[in-house]
Amino acid sequence: AQSVTQLDSQVPVFEEAPVELRCNYSSSVSVYLFWYVQYPNQGLQLLLKYLSGSTLVKGINGFEAEFNKSQTSFHLRKPSVHISDTAEYFCAVSDDSWGKLQFGAGTQVVVTP
Amino acid sequence: EAQVTQNPRYLITVTGKKLTVTCSQNMNHEYMSWYRQDPGLGLRQIYYSMNVEVTDKGDVPEGYKVSRKEKRNFPLILESPSPNQTSLYFCASSSSGNEQFFGPGTRLTVL
Repeated sequence: AQSVTQLDSQVPVFEEAPVELRCNYSSSVSVYLFWYVQYPNQGLQLLLKYLSGSTLVKGINGFEAEFNKSQTSFHLRKPSVHISDTAEYFCAVSDDSWGKLQFGAGTQVVVTP
Repeated sequence: EAQVTQNPRYLITVTGKKLTVTCSQNMNHEYMSWYRQDPGLGLRQIYYSMNVEVTDKGDVPEGYKVSRKEKRNFPLILESPSPNQTSLYFCASSSSGNEQFFGPGTRLTVL
């Protein structure tokens, strides 16, 4: 069975500083990887996804992630955060590009001026 | 506008009183799913449906039922809710080759 580990439950960061959110997964088969963002009192919005091809994936709002198969990681990065990036971020893995998602516990990002 | 809708958005009920949370999508997606979100646990899948009349259990199905009589609708039924089902519930839908789209969530409190 797949599992997803998000190593940080909360990440405080100053505005305009870079941020990295760590995600590791365990799977013995090919995987599809996703990052979702949940703004306060809202549903989940897809930030980016890795299905195949280039291991560096660019998403919305200036976020990017790198798929590292040897380290089974899919870390999310943004070079300069804004106050509006305050949200909870979820890493997820799936056996296919559209089916069941296995989520990590989430990382709460708090951006302060 | 392509979307997944859920109703109600907020619900407070008492133990044992049957309730239904509706989910509807207008994207003609085959796959629909229900998740529950709890602090520190992320989202866990309750039930899913690959198409009309095809449903199956996810990771945490106990205490829940679903049905898929029409492609667009996938209601979640709690026959006898208990306090441990207090949670934030999300419906999602997708089609082959595309990522899942999530509804806005339903916050359920069972007293």
